[in-house]
Amino acid sequence: DVKVTQSSRYLVKRTGEKVFLECVQDMDHENMFWYRQDPGLGLRLIYFSYDVKMKEKGDIPEGYSVSREKKERFSLILESASTNQTSMYLCASSLSGRREKLFFGSGTQLSVL
Amino acid sequence: QKEVEQDPGPLSVPEGAIVSLNCTYSNSAFQYFMWYRQYSRKGPELLMYTYSSGNKEDGRFTAQVDKSSKYISLFIRDSQPSDSATYLCAMSGGTNAGKSTFGDGTTLTVKP
Repeated sequence: DVKVTQSSRYLVKRTGEKVFLECVQDMDHENMFWYRQDPGLGLRLIYFSYDVKMKEKGDIPEGYSVSREKKERFSLILESASTNQTSMYLCASSLSGRREKLFFGSGTQLSVL
Repeated sequence: QKEVEQDPGPLSVPEGAIVSLNCTYSNSAFQYFMWYRQYSRKGPELLMYTYSSGNKEDGRFTAQVDKSSKYISLFIRDSQPSDSATYLCAMSGGTNAGKSTFGDGTTLTVKP
């Protein structure tokens, strides 16, 4: 089974802090994605990556950056956390020829105070 | 207006009922249609995957796509308490190839 592991289940940070969310997948998937999930807004794509060192903006990239130095790892960075970034963050991965078949991690619930 | 609209729910049914979950969409370029199931405090898991129009059956689950009406459905037969979860529709294609657009989800409760 594909396993997508997110480093933290719950995280509490202060406004202005730099926050790193880590995601690791163990099935050699080429594609990796970061979504945030908010009540009434569903899942929204922040950034995605089709290959190492490649990244593309999703629908809501403002305030975020990403890093993919190794195929199995995709990091989401909040440069200066703000309260409106309080959310559930979900990492997902998929195979190159099956981009739509997403495998998700369990999520990180981030609270910015 | 959102590209993908999902019946909001919540939905509560007795065990054994047939459940119908529905989404509409506006982007005619969508070709891939997915249903995910998300249990509380977990990430979504892929339940059904359909390319283009038609029906797909997997056990008690049937996914139906009507591209002419821009309407997709997920039917659950003989629903079980273990089916209680939030169901998310998702779709992609055209300029959104490889990037799935999700509905907001419908929360289903199946009562024993």
